[in-house]
Amino acid sequence: DGGITQSPKYLFRKEGQNVTLSCEQNLNHDAMYWYRQDPGQGLRLIYYSQIVNDFQKGDIAEGYSVSREKKESFPLTVTSAQKNPTAFYLCASNRVDVNSPLHFGNGTRLTVT
Amino acid sequence: GDSVTQMEGPVTLSEEAFLTINCTYTATGYPSLFWYVQYPGEGLQLLLKATKADDKGSNKGFEATYRKETTSFHLEKGSVQVSDSAVYFCALGLGAAGNKLTFGGGTRVLVKP
Repeated sequence: DGGITQSPKYLFRKEGQNVTLSCEQNLNHDAMYWYRQDPGQGLRLIYYSQIVNDFQKGDIAEGYSVSREKKESFPLTVTSAQKNPTAFYLCASNRVDVNSPLHFGNGTRLTVT
Repeated sequence: GDSVTQMEGPVTLSEEAFLTINCTYTATGYPSLFWYVQYPGEGLQLLLKATKADDKGSNKGFEATYRKETTSFHLEKGSVQVSDSAVYFCALGLGAAGNKLTFGGGTRVLVKP
């Protein structure tokens, strides 16, 4: 079955360390996205990419970085510059056309202490 | 800018009760509208969508009608089940490519037997 795989499901890091979250999709979607979800809040867009080797900042890109070297993969690095990194991170993808709904992975819960 | 406003939860209901979750939006263009559902510890799943005024999206007993005159997309279900307990997100999508979505803050629904 096609889908989006995020790994790991739970991730723990010490403050000051960079950490990379994995996102892989086999849906042949061109566009991929990273969202952050905080307890009791909605989703906020971190970065998105509509084509390989290109990506754009979302609403809260500071302290994060991404790469898009392959169509299937869109890893997110949470750097030590991110002031409040503890959150639930969701990766999503869709086709690059109007009205294409997002398909989401099951998320990675990152805890930084 | 574009935004989505949903009623705050939690909404607590008894099984077989009627559910309504209000959603209103502001958009610079003519958006598509979506409802997503998130079960505990998981990513979001598309529940239903509508792409133009007066369209009705429906799925799994849930319905929502795109009301352009009131800029609303309220979610309804006539008889909820315990399995409908989840967080529901209203979202709008604009733009020709990638369909980057703007989400509301989410509404937690708890259905008691």
